[in-house]
Amino acid sequence: AQKITQTQPGMFVQEKEAVTLDCTYDTSDPSYGLFWYKQPSSGEMIFLIYQGSYDQQNATEGRYSLNFQKARKSANLVISASQLGDSAMYFCAMRPLNTGGFKTIFGAGTRLFVKA
Amino acid sequence: GAVVSQHPSWVICKSGTSVKIECRSLDFQATTMFWYRQFPKQSLMLMATSNEGSKATYEQGVEKDKFLINHASLTLSTLTVTSAHPEDSSFYICSARDGQPLAKNIQYFGAGTRLSVL
Repeated sequence: AQKITQTQPGMFVQEKEAVTLDCTYDTSDPSYGLFWYKQPSSGEMIFLIYQGSYDQQNATEGRYSLNFQKARKSANLVISASQLGDSAMYFCAMRPLNTGGFKTIFGAGTRLFVKA
Repeated sequence: GAVVSQHPSWVICKSGTSVKIECRSLDFQATTMFWYRQFPKQSLMLMATSNEGSKATYEQGVEKDKFLINHASLTLSTLTVTSAHPEDSSFYICSARDGQPLAKNIQYFGAGTRLSVL
């Protein structure tokens, strides 16, 4: 069975500091993609970063980086230099890439609060 | 990134009426679109997968006659909540996958529709 676990319901971080949002996953598929989305209070889901299971390097997109540890089945999101606008809900997601269905599963989410 | 447009963003309707929500991929062709429902402070719950030109695949527990999905073209999918009741009040959000190889199978989301049934 496939599963995404985000153990931090809420996180606080001081503005300009870095923060790590945890995500662990479980899958039997050999090839899969890992995603992080941001959902501000407005409700839209904003794609942040993608990591393929066979990618050799950890993904980075601006202030976002993904700390991918395949053996531990973890895909933590690191946000550097936090900004007030980073306050939002963050979802980790996974989808198998080769099997049929292409169904994405989402974690429960972590709410991030950035303090001024 | 790619743009997915969802309309309307907010709708209030009377119990018993039907509501149609549109989801469009603006700058890519989406052979597959997804419809999710999200309750307050919860994660996204997949309702159905919509494939262009064929019937949607519904998740277990989702009434297909209640939530009608039509994927008429490569850029448009619609969700119609038929005979809406207060318990259908929720946040509905669509997603489209860019199937091009360089797109990395990323799903892009619409801004969501907040439905309130009185």
